[in-house]
Amino acid sequence: GAVVSQHPSRVICKSGTSVKIECRSLDFQATTMFWYRQFPKQSLMLMATSNEGSKATYEQGVEKDKFLINHASLTLSTLTVTSAHPEDSSFYICSAHDRVGTDTQYFGPGTRLTVL
Amino acid sequence: AQSVTQLGSHVSVSEGALVLLRCNYSSSVPPYLFWYVQYPNQGLQLLLKYTSAATLVKGINGFEAEFKKSETSFHLTKPSAHMSDAAEYFCAVPTPTGANNLFFGTGTRLTVIP
Repeated sequence: GAVVSQHPSRVICKSGTSVKIECRSLDFQATTMFWYRQFPKQSLMLMATSNEGSKATYEQGVEKDKFLINHASLTLSTLTVTSAHPEDSSFYICSAHDRVGTDTQYFGPGTRLTVL
Repeated sequence: AQSVTQLGSHVSVSEGALVLLRCNYSSSVPPYLFWYVQYPNQGLQLLLKYTSAATLVKGINGFEAEFKKSETSFHLTKPSAHMSDAAEYFCAVPTPTGANNLFFGTGTRLTVIP
């Protein structure tokens, strides 16, 4: 099946620093990728839709200047949490949509961000 | 707007017993319905996908789900639970935005008792 990777899997940073998370589709091209946030014991909440070659579409309540998304190629999207604070600590999951093949979203393994 | 509801945030079954996880969709018949599984500290793995080609959908790991229009349901079942099935299960439906976004249910945590 289709594989989506995320890097890093776990990151701990100090408050005020920026953290970049990469999401890659390894065996298919994804014109659309999605970034989700999951709080402990809760469901996934869509943060933004990342479109290759254009600006990301953010969900209501998500600060676009804080969560910078770049989708520079058909296999890579990055999420940068700028000036991270403890309340940004969460599990971030990306997914990539295989539009041409199976018309299905495939999810990465997630990145656990802890801001001290 | 299209959404799904998962009844029961926690389900416990004995090893070897039937697994039944409930999911109901709202409003109109969706073009797709999904079940995903999430193991601790991991991302989501697609279990199965309904595409209207067949009402009974077989997925990985022995799971299957039946689409019932009359009940607006898409419940997930497995005849015999295994210890390795312990995980969080999410039902999901595409949102009508046309951007292939998914709306996730609140999830059901399955515990398998030895």
